[in-house]
Amino acid sequence: QVQLVQSGAEVRKPGASVKVSCKASGYTFTYYYIHWLRQAPGQGLEWMGWLNPNNGDTNYAQKFQGRVTMTSDTSISTAYMELSRLTYDDTAVYLCARGDYGDPVDSWGQGALVTVSS
Amino acid sequence: SYVLTQPPSVSVDPGQTASITCEENNIGNRAVHWYQQKPGQAPVLVVRDDTDRPSGIPERFSGFNSGNTATLTISRVEVGDEADYYCQVWDSTTDHPIFGGGTKLTVL
Repeated sequence: QVQLVQSGAEVRKPGASVKVSCKASGYTFTYYYIHWLRQAPGQGLEWMGWLNPNNGDTNYAQKFQGRVTMTSDTSISTAYMELSRLTYDDTAVYLCARGDYGDPVDSWGQGALVTVSS
Repeated sequence: SYVLTQPPSVSVDPGQTASITCEENNIGNRAVHWYQQKPGQAPVLVVRDDTDRPSGIPERFSGFNSGNTATLTISRVEVGDEADYYCQVWDSTTDHPIFGGGTKLTVL
């Protein structure tokens, strides 16, 4: 079955960067987009961007442009999301999810808590 | 830009019917998807393309979309349905998904 397994919780200081991984299994990795979303404590889902692992194309939400980088290593079916210049407002659970272009997300990772604290 | 508006909360008694709305101008022209998220868990797709239920989703969950409002209806609500629900569409102008702000369903 389709599985997305994310890396563990991270703690970073303000101004630092964090890189979260998302390992896919149970399907052909390059056939589906990987979306990254986040959810701050008690808040709703916030879409950050998508990555097409087939060709490396990306589309980032305007809010995160210049600060987020999404990449993948197709040899190990793993996607990465790196967020730089962290602030306290970046404390959230970061989720990867699978979806085809224009289609709903049909599988989700378990989430990775990123805490920004001095 | 496209903004999907959901009520922050909906309350219903067990066994009754819950309706959660998602509003935007002419949303009836777009395919709407609905997700259920229970505390501490990742979201789960419960309705796709306005009305279709993915495999394993109970028939109690149904969707409708017309005009300026899409609606997720949960019939014979159970305590286990208590969760946050999000609507979502794809914005072809910006080439990315748009999520509603979410609705907390409370089963009294």
